[in-house]
Amino acid sequence: NAGVTQTPKFRILKIGQSMTLQCTQDMNHNYMYWYRQDPGMGLKLIYYSVGAGITDKGEVPNGYNVSRSTTEDFPLRLELAAPSQTSVYFCASSTGAGNTIYFGEGSWLTVV
Amino acid sequence: EDQVTQSPEALRLQEGESSSLNCSYTVSGLRGLFWYRQDPGKGPEFLFTLYSAGEEKEKERLKATLTKKESFLHITAPKPEDSATYLCAFPNSNSGYALNFGKGTSLLVTP
Repeated sequence: NAGVTQTPKFRILKIGQSMTLQCTQDMNHNYMYWYRQDPGMGLKLIYYSVGAGITDKGEVPNGYNVSRSTTEDFPLRLELAAPSQTSVYFCASSTGAGNTIYFGEGSWLTVV
Repeated sequence: EDQVTQSPEALRLQEGESSSLNCSYTVSGLRGLFWYRQDPGKGPEFLFTLYSAGEEKEKERLKATLTKKESFLHITAPKPEDSATYLCAFPNSNSGYALNFGKGTSLLVTP
């Protein structure tokens, strides 16, 4: 059982470039999330989705976009990358509101 | 504002030296207090959920407890493989009940 799978694992971007972090889950979970984790700052919610076609902003959405066309996939788009977006990004999923969240292995992004 | 605060930020223990990690919370209508473990370079891994004051859950050398203001993660006779960052979290009603995490306690257990 793969769980939550993120790609790529590592990426270096130049300022102003764009890219998409891919996330897929095989647990048939309705809810999916994107978090970022910075040293000493903890995990911050970027966007979340309660089902296909439904997305909403979390605590730190600026500079990011998401879409949810299927139950399985929840890609995170970075437009016009900035050094402040250097971080570790985690995709996660759960069966519903307030339930246990299961995380992927993370994507390390550096913007130079 | 609903939040959790974890202490200490870092803890170093000798193997076999028991201790506790603290997660104090101010959350209206708490819908569960979650504990996760995170190893370096990995995603957080679920440990426990506690729902009501007085509840306790155990897994190997770990025991989580909950009061009306705090949760504790007790580590009994830790081993080096227990070294990790431990995170507590609560469902945030402002974001679809996604989990809102504390900054974590980094635990190092030395032989």
